[in-house]
Amino acid sequence: DQQVKQNSPSLSVQEGRISILNCDYTNSMFDYFLWYKKYPAEGPTFLISISSIKDKNEDGRFTVFLNKSAKHLSLHIVPSQPGDSAVYFCAASEDGAAGNKLTFGGGTRVLVKP
Amino acid sequence: KAGVTQTPRYLIKTRGQQVTLSCSPISGHRSVSWYQQTPGQGLQFLFEYFSETQRNKGNFPGRFSGRQFSNSRSEMNVSTLELGDSALYLCASSLAGGLDGYTFGSGTRLTVV
Repeated sequence: DQQVKQNSPSLSVQEGRISILNCDYTNSMFDYFLWYKKYPAEGPTFLISISSIKDKNEDGRFTVFLNKSAKHLSLHIVPSQPGDSAVYFCAASEDGAAGNKLTFGGGTRVLVKP
Repeated sequence: KAGVTQTPRYLIKTRGQQVTLSCSPISGHRSVSWYQQTPGQGLQFLFEYFSETQRNKGNFPGRFSGRQFSNSRSEMNVSTLELGDSALYLCASSLAGGLDGYTFGSGTRLTVV
């Protein structure tokens, strides 16, 4: 049972344009969401997070939107740069869960074309 | 400052053997979590240790175990290896158990033949 899903396995975008990555979840106990970027042979690198009490969080070129009623979040990257080409994972953490347990989506591979 | 260090980076083992992987967290971090990444199942949580105690465990068989030492370094062990255990094993550390500063290492690539 996949509690966090990224339905688009890949995305191709032109440099300078917007990249929009989507993520859906089913567990209503999730209250904190994160996006990670991963290059081959490296561990995931934290990008941006959002708490369930917010619907938007921005950090430079990255903005995450959360729609709790739809159990949906999205990551916007504007403008996209060739260095953004990587696999992006959304992850969720459950309210009240002991310790740090992240549930990850399957990832979306982003290719930014110059 | 040094990041999360995982050793070895690559490992090849034979089915039925056992393996031990090591993770040194960022200095001062007391929480260490382990994840398995495979093409079919994605990134899955294995377990988390905080101050030498296992606080949380994922849905993996008992062949997967771990421990944490007083200096916060952690090891995970997989016994009776199966071909399906071939994966990238990642550990992540954080300061006091929250998600702030949750930082991943580069992983250990385990291949079971």
